Amino acid sequence: NAGVTQTPKFRVLKTGQSMTLLCAQDMNHEYMYWYRQDPGMGLRLIHYSVGEGTTAKGEVPDGYNVSRLKKQNFLLGLESAAPSQTSVYFCASGNKHNEQFFGPGTRLTVL
Amino acid sequence: TQLLEQSPQFLSIQEGENLTVYCNSSSVFSSLQWYRQEPGEGPVLLVTVVTGGEVKKLKRLTFQFGDARKDSSLHITAAQPGDTGLYLCAGDSGGSNYKLTFGKGTLLTVNP
Repeated sequence: NAGVTQTPKFRVLKTGQSMTLLCAQDMNHEYMYWYRQDPGMGLRLIHYSVGEGTTAKGEVPDGYNVSRLKKQNFLLGLESAAPSQTSVYFCASGNKHNEQFFGPGTRLTVL
Repeated sequence: TQLLEQSPQFLSIQEGENLTVYCNSSSVFSSLQWYRQEPGEGPVLLVTVVTGGEVKKLKRLTFQFGDARKDSSLHITAAQPGDTGLYLCAGDSGGSNYKLTFGKGTLLTVNP
């Protein structure tokens, strides 16, 4: 089992460009999450999903959109990237005990 | 808003020393989880504690959940360089809340 995978691992964008981060899990988990991690700020929840076809806002949703068309995939979109979105992005999936399993992260730089 | 405060924020020790890190809140949690994150990697779940007063051991790591389920501690005996990493605690408030409350972490460096 691969667990949680994220693509790409690294990306550099120019301000105003758009991109999509892909997360996939093979554990048949209902819940999936997108976080960003910044120095001194800890993990902050961007959006999450409690099942296929559902999404909800987390703590810092502005500037991001998500989709969960298939149970195993959770996509995070940046429509118009800003330097403030430079961060490390982690996807996680959660089991019925609310234990979360994280991917390896995507390091995004917005110039 | 539930908050989890972790202390200390940074800890640098020599190999073989013992240490304890803390995770405190004014809120009650139905369970609490500890994660370790190594540089360049995602957090990895170490343990989940559910019952007030519960103690769990994972080799040289001992986790305790407070009696009131508001706090937790992680004790490492005879630390090794492989223990280096960011230790995160996360609280689950239970019910239909599918989100975790994460602390900001304790960054541990174990020097050889």
